Amino acid sequence: DAMVIQNPRYQVTQFGKPVTLSCSQTLNHNVMYWYQQKSSQAPKLLFHYYDKDFNNEADTPDNFQSRRPNTSFCFLDIRSPGLGDAAMYLCATSREGTGTYEQYFGPGTRLTVT
Amino acid sequence: GESVGLHLPTLSVQEGDNSIINCAYSNSASDYFIWYKQESGKGPQFIIDIRSNMDKRQGQRVTVLLNKTVKHLSLQIAATQPGDSAVYFCAENKPPGNQFYFGTGTSLTVIP
Repeated sequence: DAMVIQNPRYQVTQFGKPVTLSCSQTLNHNVMYWYQQKSSQAPKLLFHYYDKDFNNEADTPDNFQSRRPNTSFCFLDIRSPGLGDAAMYLCATSREGTGTYEQYFGPGTRLTVT
Repeated sequence: GESVGLHLPTLSVQEGDNSIINCAYSNSASDYFIWYKQESGKGPQFIIDIRSNMDKRQGQRVTVLLNKTVKHLSLQIAATQPGDSAVYFCAENKPPGNQFYFGTGTSLTVIP
């Protein structure tokens, strides 16, 4: 089945230690998104890729970076995680040009910072 | 650890009753809206969408109403079932970009 896959599902990192979260998709969608979701809050958009074009949100901290080496994969890099970065990180995809922007979400990676 | 989260608005309904979940969106230029359902430990799941040139759209057991004058969306779920228990979010898209911004969310509990 076509889907959005996130690895790992649970990630523990130490304060200040760089960490990378992964997302892959078999949908061949041209847009990929990263969201941060804290407990009992709505997902917050960090950035998205439209094909290879990176679009950062104005309030996304510089500590968060992303890479998209090809259509299928997208990575979220947190350069120096702080305690406040502990959250669920959601990857999503959509296809531009179909008339709708239905986003398909992965199951998320829950990040714990110790 | 995580920051202390906000408490989501909650709605409790009896099984079989209809549910209405409301959402206020922020940007009058937004022209496309989606309702998502998020179950515990899972990513959001698409339920129904609506464009700003419509004020109502119906799906299977769900109806979305859009009032652009007051920037308000509602999701109506008919004959609510225990499996409908989840957190529901609306999301808005403002052209020309592909960004989606989520509303606060409502936690729905269905009482058998």
